[in-house]
Amino acid sequence: ETGVTQSPTHLIKTRGQQVTLRCSSQSGHNTVSWYQQALGQGPQFIFQYYREEENGRGNFPPRFSGLQFPNYSSELNVNALELDDSALYLCASSFEPGLNEQFFGPGTRLTVL
Amino acid sequence: GDSVTQMEGPVTLSEEAFLTINCTYTATGYPSLFWYVQYPGEGLQLLLKATKADDKGSNKGFEATYRKETTSFHLEKGSVQVSDSAVYFCALTRGGGADGLTFGKGTHLIIQP
Repeated sequence: ETGVTQSPTHLIKTRGQQVTLRCSSQSGHNTVSWYQQALGQGPQFIFQYYREEENGRGNFPPRFSGLQFPNYSSELNVNALELDDSALYLCASSFEPGLNEQFFGPGTRLTVL
Repeated sequence: GDSVTQMEGPVTLSEEAFLTINCTYTATGYPSLFWYVQYPGEGLQLLLKATKADDKGSNKGFEATYRKETTSFHLEKGSVQVSDSAVYFCALTRGGGADGLTFGKGTHLIIQP
């Protein structure tokens, strides 16, 4: 059984650019959640996708957007990058939303210069 | 809004010592509570969970009891090992996709031989 994978591992962008991060969910999982983890902080919930629809959103501006595909993989897009967007971005998949265990990927480290 | 507060680290203990990592929460309703662990170079892993008051979650010798009267979910282990060195995150969710997981800042645990 393949776990949650994310790509790329590391990424460097400059302020104002756009970035796309990718996540492949664990086999059998139809729900993907994205989190932002700043250095020394706990992860913060960005949004969740369930069956290709956004199912819930945390306190992040609209320049953070996402997609989920029919195979349940997902993308996180961030437009107009700011220095404070530098963080580890974590993807987690689960079987259905709610209280089911979320399985986390290793993350993508984004640095904005 | 919901929040989780956990003790600041790093926490340094000798092998076989007793461990307590404090966690308190603020949330409306009846959240479910979790402890996640992040080993060096790895993704977040669920350690244990409790879904209602007075439930005790346990795994790998770790335990935590959901105390609604004190809004706490302290993590304990009777005898720690060097391999327990990691960052531990307390988290909660009210179960809806709109909320995701709310994490504390994490506690870095260092076990010395």
